Amino acid sequence: QVQLVQSGAEVKKPGASVKVSCKASGYPFTGYYIHWVRQAPGQGLEWMGWIDPNTGGTNFAQKFRGKVTMTSDTSINTAYMELRRLRSDDTAVYFCGRSCSAGGCYGWLDPWGQGTLVTVSS
Amino acid sequence: DIQMTQSPSSLSASVGDRVTITCQASHDISYYLNWYQQKPGKAPKLLIYDASNLQTGVPSRFSGSGSGTDFTFTISSLQPEDIATYYCQHYDDLHLFTFGPGTKVDIK
Repeated sequence: QVQLVQSGAEVKKPGASVKVSCKASGYPFTGYYIHWVRQAPGQGLEWMGWIDPNTGGTNFAQKFRGKVTMTSDTSINTAYMELRRLRSDDTAVYFCGRSCSAGGCYGWLDPWGQGTLVTVSS
Repeated sequence: DIQMTQSPSSLSASVGDRVTITCQASHDISYYLNWYQQKPGKAPKLLIYDASNLQTGVPSRFSGSGSGTDFTFTISSLQPEDIATYYCQHYDDLHLFTFGPGTKVDIK
């Protein structure tokens, strides 16, 4: 079945970087975008951006430009999200999700990964 | 930028009640509006796409309607397993997404 499995929880100090992975299975990895969405404790969902694993192309929410890098490795069907210059308000659960690259399921995320908790604390 | 609002922010209803949540966009977004359910400690789950289309496998008590700036999400008969937070989400031609702030649904 179609599945996204994320890497485990991370604890980082302020100013550090974190890289979260999202491994896809059950579908052609290069045929779909991978998006990243975060959720701070007790808060709502915040969309961060997407990567097209076929081309390496990316697009980000304005807030995250210069702060986040999204990459992918098609040899192992895995997408990555790296967040730099971490602050305490980056503490959140980070989710990956799949959308189509065109037509069909273009505008929504299904399925989602299980989420990765990133804690930023000194 | 498109701004999405949802109302109410939370509600309590009895099992079997009809529950309605609204989502409003700051500009006309046609039908580019989806609904998700998120249970505590879990990833969101897609319920409705393109305003009114039920995702495969989702119970028929869930429905969506609307277009332009005003959208409605309805649970026709609330069940205990429907306790969750519900989010609307817009997408645009550049494949940029925006989520609404969410509506928390509880059992009275």
